[in-house]
Amino acid sequence: EVQLVESGGGLVKPGGSLRLSCAASGFTFSSYSMNWVRQAPGKGLEWVSSISSSSSYIYYADSVKGRFTISRDNAKNSLYLQMNSLRAEDTAVYYCARDLNGYCSGGSCTPTLADYWGQGTLVTVSS
Amino acid sequence: QLVLTQSPSASASLGASVKLTCTLSSGHSSYAIAWHQQQPEKGPRYLMKLNSDGSHSKGDGIPDRFSGSSSGAERYLTISSLQSEDEADYYCQTWGTGIHWVFGGGTKLTVL
Repeated sequence: EVQLVESGGGLVKPGGSLRLSCAASGFTFSSYSMNWVRQAPGKGLEWVSSISSSSSYIYYADSVKGRFTISRDNAKNSLYLQMNSLRAEDTAVYYCARDLNGYCSGGSCTPTLADYWGQGTLVTVSS
Repeated sequence: QLVLTQSPSASASLGASVKLTCTLSSGHSSYAIAWHQQQPEKGPRYLMKLNSDGSHSKGDGIPDRFSGSSSGAERYLTISSLQSEDEADYYCQTWGTGIHWVFGGGTKLTVL
């Protein structure tokens, strides 16, 4: 059974940092691109960042570029999101999600759909 | 710009059917989408991939009550024999090279 379990959320002051983790199990983690998606309170889903299976390709939404860093450790079946210079508007539930069949070639990646999601971890940025 | 548009809300009676719509922006009518269900206080759950020709493939364990269809730039999710647990938010998602993941605003389904 595929499982994605996020952790690391919490309350942080504006300008602070937080590191989220996502533990994966039930599939060959090293074969899949992975993503972070967030959902602000009462709002819809927003793609945040993606990382290819070998970490060769990394992408960010404009709203987090330069502040967030995605990474993965295939030996530990884990995905991470380092969040720095946090703002109030970063307050959200953060989900990790697997890309069903994304592939990379010719210097870029083509994603596909999210086929498994975690239960999310809440990040609150407030003074 | 690739945009997905969904109605904010829909409602239908227990045991009835409901059809939710996701509309692709101009110039993107050939794109496939995915439908996701988010029950209250839970993470999203993948329901199905829906192609422009109406063919679809469902995620693991998704009941036959959930089906998809397409017409032009519109993608539909039909839920038949509505049950109380179908009350949820439904999101459509699409993707493309250099576009990454794009989500619709979601439709909140109320089962009366």
